[in-house]
Parts: sequence; structure tokens; C-alpha cells
Amino acid sequence: QVQLQESGPGLVKPSETLSLTCAVSGYSISSGYYWGWIRQPPGKGLEWIGSIYHSGSTYYNPSLKSRVTISVDTSKNQFSLKLSSVTAADTAVYYCARVLGIAVAGLDYWGQGTLVTVSS
Amino acid sequence: QSVLTQPPSASGTPGQRVTISCSGSSSNIGSNYVYWYQQLPGTAPKLLIYRNNQRPSGVPDRFSGSKSGTSASLAISGLRSEDEADYYCAAWDDSLVVFGGGTKLTVL
Repeated sequence: QVQLQESGPGLVKPSETLSLTCAVSGYSISSGYYWGWIRQPPGKGLEWIGSIYHSGSTYYNPSLKSRVTISVDTSKNQFSLKLSSVTAADTAVYYCARVLGIAVAGLDYWGQGTLVTVSS
Repeated sequence: QSVLTQPPSASGTPGQRVTISCSGSSSNIGSNYVYWYQQLPGTAPKLLIYRNNQRPSGVPDRFSGSKSGTSASLAISGLRSEDEADYYCAAWDDSLVVFGGGTKLTVL
């Protein structure tokens, strides 16, 4: 059974960098699929942040691209998200998920999500 | 303002059939597969329908998806109380995944 678990600080100060990691178990990232990040502001809908392949190939949401970096560590079977220059608008539950392929919107396994609050 | 348009709410009584619409454009729904997600309160979204009308293993056949042109819909038949949740459609659009704004389904 594929499982994903997000981890990272729950509170980040404005203008700083948000950093999260997604640990994958039950499946080797090196075996394939893309791996992605999605966020959901409190009481609002879903927003796709970006995806990465085990080779390091990435796709980012153009609206966030200037601030986002997604990386992968196949030796630890995990991938990470960095979002720089955060503001209150970046407060959200952040989910990691397995993506069914390139250029598709299918996300078949999700982490439980982690709430990140941006506040001083 | 979401790229894909869904009604904010829908409702039905137990046993009824309910449909949720998702409207897009030629760059997303019109040229790519549609996916549907169910999000129960306080939980992560769950893949409900993939490639327009396919159900992952374990999803009851009460749930069905369809697509025509630049629109898609999710149908739930034999409505049950546990179907009360938020439902989201999604599709690839040029260079990113786009979601609908979500539809809150209430079982009366």
C-alpha cells in the first residue's frame, strides 16, 4: 500500500521560506510516476503547486513558479517543496500526492496534509 | 476564480440520483481527461473518477463520470448519507493541473 506523509514547520514567518518534505512508503519513487504538491487554503478549493519525476524533471504552476522549488531524494524515497517569500496568502493545508503521469490531473495517493500558517 | 466551473452546492435525499457539472474550455476539458475527487470533512481528497469515466478499485459503481466537449459531469446514484462531501473536478490545461472550485453535496 502506497503511503505518503508530509512533514515540516507548521508556522512560517512572512517573507521567509516554507519547506516541506513528503516521505513515500510502499513504493519506490525511482520506479516511476510523477510526485506532486497541492495546497488548500482554509475553507477554499484546491490549487496545484507542481510535480517532479525521479529524474528531477519538474512542472510548476506558472502563478507560483518564481517562488517554488520541488526536489527529489531517491535515496531517502522522498521529495520536497520550498516556497520562498511567503505571505499570509500562502497559509494552507499542503498535500503531497502521486501523479498518474505527465500532463494529467490524476492524483491517486495523497498524504493526510499538513497545515502551514504564515504569521509573525 | 477557478478555471473549471462547478456549482457551489448540490443536494439530494437518500436514494436519489444527483449530478454535478464541471465546465471548462478547449484547452482543458476539451482536450484532456477529466478527473473527479471526493473530499470528506477534515480529510485529504480521494480519487473518485479517472480518465473521464473510469473508477479506481474500491469506488462503488454508484459513482459515474461522463464528458462531452468542454463539459463533464459526475453522477451519484442511490445517494447515501456518507456521500456528503465536497467534490472537485480537475483536468490538465496547457502546462498545469486546474481544479474546479468544488461542489458541496448535502444529503438531506
